Amino acid sequence: QKEVEQNSGPLSVPEGAIASLNCTYSDRGSQSFFWYRQYSGKSPELIMFIYSNGDKEDGRFTAQLNKASQYVSLLIRDSQPSDSATYLCAVNMNDYKLSFGAGTTVTVRA
Amino acid sequence: DTGVSQNPRHKITKRGQNVTFRCDPISEHNRLYWYRQTLGQGPEFLTYFQNEAQLEKSRLLSDRFSAERPKGSFSTLEIQRTEQGDSAMYLCASSPGGLLFNEQFFGPGTRLTVL
Repeated sequence: QKEVEQNSGPLSVPEGAIASLNCTYSDRGSQSFFWYRQYSGKSPELIMFIYSNGDKEDGRFTAQLNKASQYVSLLIRDSQPSDSATYLCAVNMNDYKLSFGAGTTVTVRA
Repeated sequence: DTGVSQNPRHKITKRGQNVTFRCDPISEHNRLYWYRQTLGQGPEFLTYFQNEAQLEKSRLLSDRFSAERPKGSFSTLEIQRTEQGDSAMYLCASSPGGLLFNEQFFGPGTRLTVL
């Protein structure tokens, strides 16, 4: 079992719609959870982190965490063409190491 | 620019050659990480420094790889006797530390191509 798994994608959504990205993790002791955005050929950019069960909103992005189900999600509301990228879920399983999923590629259709 | 910087941005080398990459973290961050990313995959952890101490090395880091962080500032990652399988994006990240959040900020990466 992989440590972090994400929807295989790709995910195509029309402009203005909600994009929903899912991530599950294997280590029940994981403390904090991150979403990174990565444009093609670029490095990952941190967009959100969450560490408590429930929802956390930042602009058009909402992260959701359910530790009992070992599940993290990211919602992108009012999707824009500039949101087209690969979204990486990362889990902090100890004090230092981040374990990443393989990413979900999102394409927003104009 | 106060972000993480990496040099060079691109490196093309022949198999068997040695290469060295440099990372300058965000100035107030005491933690520095190296990751490797191949096409279609997420970054994979290689090694981690807290100040000048290298505290963890992944089993991915064979004995051909060595990393240093003298004086707890910039870090270098050296690959000796490069192999074609070493071709990847090498990412450096830094964080201010802390037990709970550990937000890591990535540099632009060094893309290595081994011919």
